[in-house]
Amino acid sequence: NAGVTQTPKFQVLKTGQSMTLQCAQDMNHEYMSWYRQDPGMGLRLIHYSVGAGITDQGEVPNGYNVSRSTTEDFPLRLLSAAPSQTSVYFCASKQGADTQYFGPGTRLTVL
Amino acid sequence: GDSVTQMEGPVTLSEEAFLTINCTYTATGYPSLFWYVQYPGEGLQLLLKATKADDKGSNKGFEATYRKETTSFHLEKGSVQVSDSAVYFCALSVVTGGFKTIFGAGTRLFVKA
Repeated sequence: NAGVTQTPKFQVLKTGQSMTLQCAQDMNHEYMSWYRQDPGMGLRLIHYSVGAGITDQGEVPNGYNVSRSTTEDFPLRLLSAAPSQTSVYFCASKQGADTQYFGPGTRLTVL
Repeated sequence: GDSVTQMEGPVTLSEEAFLTINCTYTATGYPSLFWYVQYPGEGLQLLLKATKADDKGSNKGFEATYRKETTSFHLEKGSVQVSDSAVYFCALSVVTGGFKTIFGAGTRLFVKA
């Protein structure tokens, strides 16, 4: 099992550009989520999904879109990048109340 | 609402010292409790977990006991090593929001040789 994979590992954008962060899991987990982690801070939930076709907002959803067309994939779209979105982004998946598995992260810089 | 509070860091210890990182929670129902660890430049990974009251989770010399009466899940290790330097997150998982995970703010641990 590859677990949770994320691409790209690093990305530099200019203000106003859009991009999609990819996330995939091969554990058949129903629950997937996106977090951002800023320096010296904990994790903040952006969006989550409890199954294919179902998504919901977390605590910091503005400026981001998600979709969940399959169980495996949960991409995160930045609509118009801003410097405030410079962060490390983690995708995670789990089943029910069990352990959450994290991807290696995407380090995004917006100039 | 549901929440997790853990002690602020950073915590700096000498090698072989005793470690305690406090964690308390607020939750409706009976959550599962977790400690995750994040090493520099990596994602979070599970360190240990407990799913019901009085359960003890343990791994790599770390332990934590699910205390329902004090709503706590303190992390302990008897003798830390330099390689334990990392950020530690306490977390709970609840039924609401499809078993959403609630994380504490994280505690950074530095261990000096």
